[in-house]
Amino acid sequence: DIQMTQSPSSLSASVGDRVTITCRASQGISSYLAWYQQKPGKVPKLLISAASTLPSGVPSRFSGSGSGTDFTLTISSLQPEDVATYYCQKYNSAPHTFGQGTKLEIK
Amino acid sequence: EVQLVQSGAEVKKPGESLKISCKGTGYSFTTYWIAWVRQMPGKGLEWMGVIYPGDSDTRYTPSFEGQVTISADKSISTAYLQLSSLKASDTAMYYCARRAGAFDIWGQGTMVTVSS
Repeated sequence: DIQMTQSPSSLSASVGDRVTITCRASQGISSYLAWYQQKPGKVPKLLISAASTLPSGVPSRFSGSGSGTDFTLTISSLQPEDVATYYCQKYNSAPHTFGQGTKLEIK
Repeated sequence: EVQLVQSGAEVKKPGESLKISCKGTGYSFTTYWIAWVRQMPGKGLEWMGVIYPGDSDTRYTPSFEGQVTISADKSISTAYLQLSSLKASDTAMYYCARRAGAFDIWGQGTMVTVSS
């Protein structure tokens, strides 16, 4: 099965900073990559699908890129409400494995 | 409004069984896969398996195959996750999610606590 590895596992940044989280698949998955945001005590929320497509309502400071095995989630200007754990997920075929998560905090 | 509504929190004893439900409303239930995701306390998301309610085609991740059973009753737009011979390590939040490519709609989660 394909493994999904995120880095870093946690990070702390200041409001207004540009933040980047990476996700690597152990085999190519084309663009079948999603990112989810899970705020403390809340249900996960779809943030990006197809590696770079933002669903309606997701702020434009979030962006995604990559294809094949290497993917990136970028927050262009970190806001306090972005404190959350972020997960990548492959969804081209089962199992739809998640990465281990990246916990983002405000410095 | 498209929603997945899960059954309520459960407290069980070791060795007991449990069936969690996930009812889909506001869309054609039979034409989207429903996945189940486990989140143990303080831990990440684990994909358990998925079912296509239209024909009950089911897939499991190897670590959960044989340990859980996923089913669906399309007549009432409901998917189920059955956990048997519960152990303390089954204590977790369990989510269902609709697969529209990515998982676009999530249930509110069902907290399962296993304790003697």
